[in-house]
Amino acid sequence: KNEVEQSPQNLTAQEGEFITINCSYSVGISALHWLQQHPGGGIVSLFMLSSGKKKHGRLIATINIQEKHSSLHITASHPRDSAVYICAVNSGETSGSRLTFGEGTQLTVNP
Amino acid sequence: KAGVTQTPRYLIKTRGQQVTLSCSPISGHRSVSWYQQTPGQGLQFLFEYFSETQRNKGNFPGRFSGRQFSNSRSEMNVSTLELGDSALYLCASSLFLAGGYGSDTQYFGPGTRLTVL
Repeated sequence: KNEVEQSPQNLTAQEGEFITINCSYSVGISALHWLQQHPGGGIVSLFMLSSGKKKHGRLIATINIQEKHSSLHITASHPRDSAVYICAVNSGETSGSRLTFGEGTQLTVNP
Repeated sequence: KAGVTQTPRYLIKTRGQQVTLSCSPISGHRSVSWYQQTPGQGLQFLFEYFSETQRNKGNFPGRFSGRQFSNSRSEMNVSTLELGDSALYLCASSLFLAGGYGSDTQYFGPGTRLTVL
């Protein structure tokens, strides 16, 4: 079993829909990251969170430490949101940038 | 500020050769991490350097090595290349203001796509 699991693996939505991507992890963490990867490879960090909720534009990330679960929500989805969304964690044992990644969720938003 | 840069962007090598990839972090960032991305294994952590010292290391063979210079630029080296080393190699830099402790946002470079023939 992977330490970080995401669902769904693939998601197709119509423009304007509300989207949720889930991430569950099995290790103690110091932080959880949501990343976005577009075709061609570039990765952008969307959120880093260790508790509660963060919002940036149409994106919202939440984390429940007790349940070891995080969600990424996209409101009013748009075709430009089409990308792979990756959940990653910093294990709680050590400091530093070592990330353990989920398999990613391929999101396609159709116009 | 300029983002994280990686050179070269594309590289083709043959089995048995060695390769050196370079990463220039965002100015002022002290931590550089390297990751390998393949279709089969996804993203995997290779190693992290902080203030010229390797601070974390992933589960990769000794053929994979790296270093960080005093200006925070980093290189990774893969010796005796194998077909399975074909991958996108990404580096990411972090500021780590708090003396290097805890976690920090990572800023990724565009990657180097390595093909081993």
